[in-house]
Amino acid sequence: SYELTQPPSVSVSPGQTARITCSGHKLGDKYVSWYQQRAGQSPLLVIFLDSKRPSEIPDRFSASNSGGTATLTISGTQPVDEADYYCQTWDSNIGVFGTGTKVTVL
Amino acid sequence: VQLVESGGGLVQPGGSLRLSCTGSEFMFDSFWMSWVRQAPGKGLEWVANIKQEGFETQYMDSVKGRFMISRDNAKDSMFLQMDDLRVEDTGVYYCARDRVYSSGWYEDYWGQGILVTVSS
Repeated sequence: SYELTQPPSVSVSPGQTARITCSGHKLGDKYVSWYQQRAGQSPLLVIFLDSKRPSEIPDRFSASNSGGTATLTISGTQPVDEADYYCQTWDSNIGVFGTGTKVTVL
Repeated sequence: VQLVESGGGLVQPGGSLRLSCTGSEFMFDSFWMSWVRQAPGKGLEWVANIKQEGFETQYMDSVKGRFMISRDNAKDSMFLQMDDLRVEDTGVYYCARDRVYSSGWYEDYWGQGILVTVSS
């Protein structure tokens, strides 16, 4: 079965840039989406189709996908961005989520 | 867009439970819909989805033959019938709306989730 691997945790200072990677076999050939899940809340879509942002998501969120790695970048990270982040793709019409990354804003 | 889950609770191993998801403020019958779950303290896990008219469904391997997804578009509702439940099925179950673009899929709206606990 297809697997997506993320680093367990990323720490960032307020105002700095956080980068979260998501690795999978030939992931660049697939579309990737990213979800933010704050503590005790439902997931929220922050990126779809590799790099598109829903209108309500701040432009400090950006993403790319190439080769075997997709990357979510949070520029000018704010305390409110502290959350778990999950990448997702689809393989043989089955949804696959990444292992998740906890972003801590110190 | 609103999605509201119901039907969760405590059930013994081997038992059954039926989850419901009701959508509002959008054309329910125009969208694929999914169930996604999250075990306590763990990550997200996609469970199943169903096409607009309900005739095409997909499941993760570990629930095939035990879970059945269905929908009633007249009631703007989706269901997950869960049989032969196992302890490892414990978690919060989310209903989500799917968006499909070429070969790209994603969930753009999620419900608040409903807790399923499988324990003796």
